[in-house]
Amino acid sequence: KQEVTQIPAALSVPEGENLVLNCSFTDSAIYNLQWFRQDPGKGLTSLLLIQSSQREQTSGRLNASLDKSSGRSTLYIAASQPGDSATYLCAVLCSSNTGKLIFGQGTTLQVKP
Amino acid sequence: NAGVTQTPKFQVLKTGQSMTLQCAQDMNHEYMSWYRQDPGMGLRLIHYSVGAGITDQGEVPNGYNVSRSTTEDFPLRLLSAAPSQTSVYFCASRSERGQSSGNTIYFGEGSWLTVV
Repeated sequence: KQEVTQIPAALSVPEGENLVLNCSFTDSAIYNLQWFRQDPGKGLTSLLLIQSSQREQTSGRLNASLDKSSGRSTLYIAASQPGDSATYLCAVLCSSNTGKLIFGQGTTLQVKP
Repeated sequence: NAGVTQTPKFQVLKTGQSMTLQCAQDMNHEYMSWYRQDPGMGLRLIHYSVGAGITDQGEVPNGYNVSRSTTEDFPLRLLSAAPSQTSVYFCASRSERGQSSGNTIYFGEGSWLTVV
C-alpha cells in the first residue's frame, strides 16, 4: 500500500530565505507526483507536476525534484515571501488509468516579514 | 472557463438526513474523483470515475454513493448522514488527452459539511 509522508509538518522562516520541503513515498511504481498549495479555507492549487520519467520541474521560484528509486521528492522555494505562507501538499498518482491520488499530510509554511 | 465547480459550499445536516454534493467540470475530463479532508488524516479518496457510466471505490467509500451519467457531472450522495461524515469534500478531475494538460489534476473549491 502506497504511503506518502511529508516532513516537516510545519515550518516558519524569515522572508527571503530559501527552503526545502520534503516528500517521501513507499512504492516507487508511480505514474507522476504533484505538488499542491492550499490556502486556509480554500481548495488545492496545482504548483508542479513531475512525470515518473522526469527528474525535476521548475516554475518561477519553485523547483520540484523527483528520485523514484529512493522514493523522494523535494520542493525548493527560493527567496521566500510572506505570500508563500500556505500548506503544501504532495501527492502521487499510482496508475494512469485512475484518478487515485495518495496525499501526504502536508507542510504548513509560515514566512515572516 | 469555470474548471471544477462544487455546490453547495457550506451545508449543515441533521443525523440521518440525505443530501447530494454536486460536482461539474467543463474541461471534458475523463477522470473525476471525490476526496474528503480531515484534520490529521489528510485527503482521502472516497470514490472515483474513469468515464461516464464507470465508477469505483476509493479508500473510504462507506456511506457514500456516486454515479456518472455524463462526462461533466459526478455527484456524491450521502444516504444517511452521520457525524463522522463532518468534513471538507473536494471534487477533482483530470485528463490523459493532450500534452498541454500535463495530466494535472484540478480541484474544486471544496464543500464544508457539518452533520449534527
